[in-house]
Amino acid sequence: QVQLQQSGPGLVKPSQTLSLTCAISGDSVSSNSASWSWIRQSPSRGLEWLGRTYRRSKWYSEYAVSVKSRTTISPDTSMNQVSLQLNSVTPEDTAVYYCVRAGRDGYLDYWGQGTLVTVSS
Amino acid sequence: QSVLTQPSSASGTPGQRVTISCSGSSSNVGSDNVNWYQQLPGTAPKLLIYINNQRPSGVPDRFSGSKSGTSASLAISGLQSEDEADYYCAAWDASLHGWVFGGGTKLTVL
Repeated sequence: QVQLQQSGPGLVKPSQTLSLTCAISGDSVSSNSASWSWIRQSPSRGLEWLGRTYRRSKWYSEYAVSVKSRTTISPDTSMNQVSLQLNSVTPEDTAVYYCVRAGRDGYLDYWGQGTLVTVSS
Repeated sequence: QSVLTQPSSASGTPGQRVTISCSGSSSNVGSDNVNWYQQLPGTAPKLLIYINNQRPSGVPDRFSGSKSGTSASLAISGLQSEDEADYYCAAWDASLHGWVFGGGTKLTVL
């Protein structure tokens, strides 16, 4: 059974960097058949995919156009984790952030518990 | 302004059958599989239907999915009070190269 345990601060100041971590159990971040996405949810924007990382013959990271310039999603193979960094945040980045796995058949199946991140001074 | 279009609300009485639609385009629903998620208040979305019409183990067979062209539907038969939740459709978009979602349908059991 795959479990995703998220951690990170719930409050970030405007212009600073939002950083979240997702600890993976029951699978490997280095799996050649899985991908690891970050998705956020807010009342104004609904569910919004931010990007993903995955390994095939090498590591790939892909991002939504809307956040590409200020987002980094990266694996930590030693800790079996995946992290999200979102730079230069504004109050519009206030949302619940989810770490989500897509398995061998490509659909989003396992979700982390969610982390409410508020951007406020 | 979600990429996939769902009705914002739906309702039914216990025992009834309810359907929720999801409309997309040729770059998402029309060319890839549709998945459905159920979200109870304060919890993460839970996979309900995958690859258009497949149910994960543990999901009652009262839930079913279908897809035709650029539209998909989720049907819930024998409606129960515990089905009251938000429902979302999702698909991979080949043009945007990313996952896209519907705006969600709030199901009320009257």
